[in-house]
Amino acid sequence: AQSVTQLDSQVPVFEEAPVELRCNYSSSVSVYLFWYVQYPNQGLQLLLKYLSGSTLVESINGFEAEFNKSQTSFHLRKPSVHISDTAEYFCAVSLSGFQKLVFGTGTRLLVSP
Amino acid sequence: NAGVTQTPKFRVLKTGQSMTLLCAQDMNHEYMYWYRQDPGMGLRLIHYSVGEGTTAKGEVPDGYNVSRLKKQNFLLGLESAAPSQTSVYFCASSTGQPRQPQHFGDGTRLSIL
Repeated sequence: AQSVTQLDSQVPVFEEAPVELRCNYSSSVSVYLFWYVQYPNQGLQLLLKYLSGSTLVESINGFEAEFNKSQTSFHLRKPSVHISDTAEYFCAVSLSGFQKLVFGTGTRLLVSP
Repeated sequence: NAGVTQTPKFRVLKTGQSMTLLCAQDMNHEYMYWYRQDPGMGLRLIHYSVGEGTTAKGEVPDGYNVSRLKKQNFLLGLESAAPSQTSVYFCASSTGQPRQPQHFGDGTRLSIL
């Protein structure tokens, strides 16, 4: 069975600093990988996804994630965060042939001035 | 664009009471899902549906029932509410294709006293 591990429950950073949110998954078959973001009192929104091809994927608001098959990781990075990036971030995985997602426990990103 | 709409947004119940949470989507999606979100546990799948008239159990189905009588609606029922069901409930929908993301509602915050 698949599983997703987000080791950091909370990551505090200062504005304009770089950040990395870690995600590791376990699966014996091909997977699709997703990062979702949840702003306070809202539902989850897709941030970016890896399906195949280039291992580096980017979002429209400056986040990027790199798929590393050998390390079974899909870490999320941003070189310079803004206050508005404060949110909870969920990594999720699905088997390549099936549309059920398995979510990690989430990482709360706290950006302070 | 409404997307996925959940009603109600908040509800307080007493132990033993029953209620139904409604999810409606206007994207003509085949698949619909109900999740619960609890602190430190991420999102866990309760039930899902792969089309009108179908339902299936997810990871934590006990104590819940669902119905998908119309393609656009997915109902989650609690027959006899228990304090352990205090949570935030999210509905999501998707095309069912693994490459496509799930679209989430804004959640229902449910407290069982």
